[in-house]
Amino acid sequence: EPEVTQTPSHQVTQMGQEVILRCVPISNHLYFYWYRQILGQKVEFLVSFYNNEISEKSEIFDDQFSVERPDGSNFTLKIRSTKLEDSAMYFCASRGASGRADTQYFGPGTRLTVL
Amino acid sequence: GNSVTQMEGPVTLSEEAFLTINCTYTATGYPSLFWYVQYPGEGLQLLLKATKADDKGSNKGFEATYRKETTSFHLEKGSVQVSDSAVYFCALSTGANSKLTFGKGITLSVRP
Repeated sequence: EPEVTQTPSHQVTQMGQEVILRCVPISNHLYFYWYRQILGQKVEFLVSFYNNEISEKSEIFDDQFSVERPDGSNFTLKIRSTKLEDSAMYFCASRGASGRADTQYFGPGTRLTVL
Repeated sequence: GNSVTQMEGPVTLSEEAFLTINCTYTATGYPSLFWYVQYPGEGLQLLLKATKADDKGSNKGFEATYRKETTSFHLEKGSVQVSDSAVYFCALSTGANSKLTFGKGITLSVRP
């Protein structure tokens, strides 16, 4: 069964450093998402991406964040200058057809630790 | 804005016990409702969903009914197993982008 994959599974970085989190969505999917979960808190929406552009972003997704689909298979989340409060589990998701109820498939997540 | 509220956890049950996990929501428009499950060390997996009022989603013995009048989507299972131990998230989606709004999640532990 096709699945969403994410790398790395755990990333440790120093405050102020740039990080890139990588995702490979399911191959025929068209809509891509990033979510994050700070330890003990809710899973929060960050950004959605469709047709090679951001379709919606949350207040969390400020100028320090960017997303890219560089080669038609990978979907990346970049944090330019990490802060301590960026420490969280980051989940990538993708879905296929249009329609509100279509299922988002999630990857296993990347745990980001900012020291 | 949209929000999802789940009952406080964790929940610990004996095998074969009846499970109810409460979920209520606030949304503009007509949301679709979901339950996702996260097993230890894994990502979020869709457990079941419902797209309109009075729909019942079901999977692996779990059920939830979309109740518009009470804005609820409670998860139930008649007889839990040790393998059901996981974190359960209630969520909704609205709008063209279908972004998900999640509840806080609840940890279920089932003991033999």
